[in-house]
Amino acid sequence: RKEVEQDPGPFNVPEGATVAFNCTYSNSASQSFFWYRQDCRKEPKLLMSVYSSGNEDGRFTAQLNRASQYISLLIRDSKLSDSATYLCVVNAEYGNKLVFGAGTILRVKS
Amino acid sequence: DGGITQSPKYLFRKEGQNVTLSCEQNLNHDAMYWYRQDPGQGLRLIYYSQIVNDFQKGDIAEGYSVSREKKESFPLTVTSAQKNPTAFYLCASTDSGKDTDTQYFGPGTRLTVL
Repeated sequence: RKEVEQDPGPFNVPEGATVAFNCTYSNSASQSFFWYRQDCRKEPKLLMSVYSSGNEDGRFTAQLNRASQYISLLIRDSKLSDSATYLCVVNAEYGNKLVFGAGTILRVKS
Repeated sequence: DGGITQSPKYLFRKEGQNVTLSCEQNLNHDAMYWYRQDPGQGLRLIYYSQIVNDFQKGDIAEGYSVSREKKESFPLTVTSAQKNPTAFYLCASTDSGKDTDTQYFGPGTRLTVL
């Protein structure tokens, strides 16, 4: 079983739609969780950290479910510029290594 | 501007040649990392360094070597022993302050073996 698993997609949605991605992780001792965004042929960039209580940043909402070992990302009112690959990231050991999922592709169309 | 730089952006190598990828950061970060990314796969950790003059193997270190003689620099050498070196190589660093896990990436080097 992979340490971090994501649906590769692609998710094809119209502008203005709401879309949600889930990600599961296998290490129950993981303490830190992130969503990164990666544009085609570019480096990943931090989108948001994921906190136990859930957190929101504008149109983006991230949630963590420790019992079921999954995190989610919700994007409301999708924009064309949201088209990218979204990487789910979990720490492997406290304060050190991160484990990256293979990513979920989002395509927002007009 | 503070950031992480990688050079070159594109690199072509003949089989059997060693090649060194540069990674420099002026963020005063203690920890630095090297990943490779292949199409449809997640980033895989090659080597990482928590402090100057110390580094650890990651999950796929075979065929690679690194050095960390300065805090700002963490070069990666892809040796001829690496059987499938064509990939996108990403360098990252971590803030040693509050968000110790958050990693910031350089723009990457795309290596192609001819």
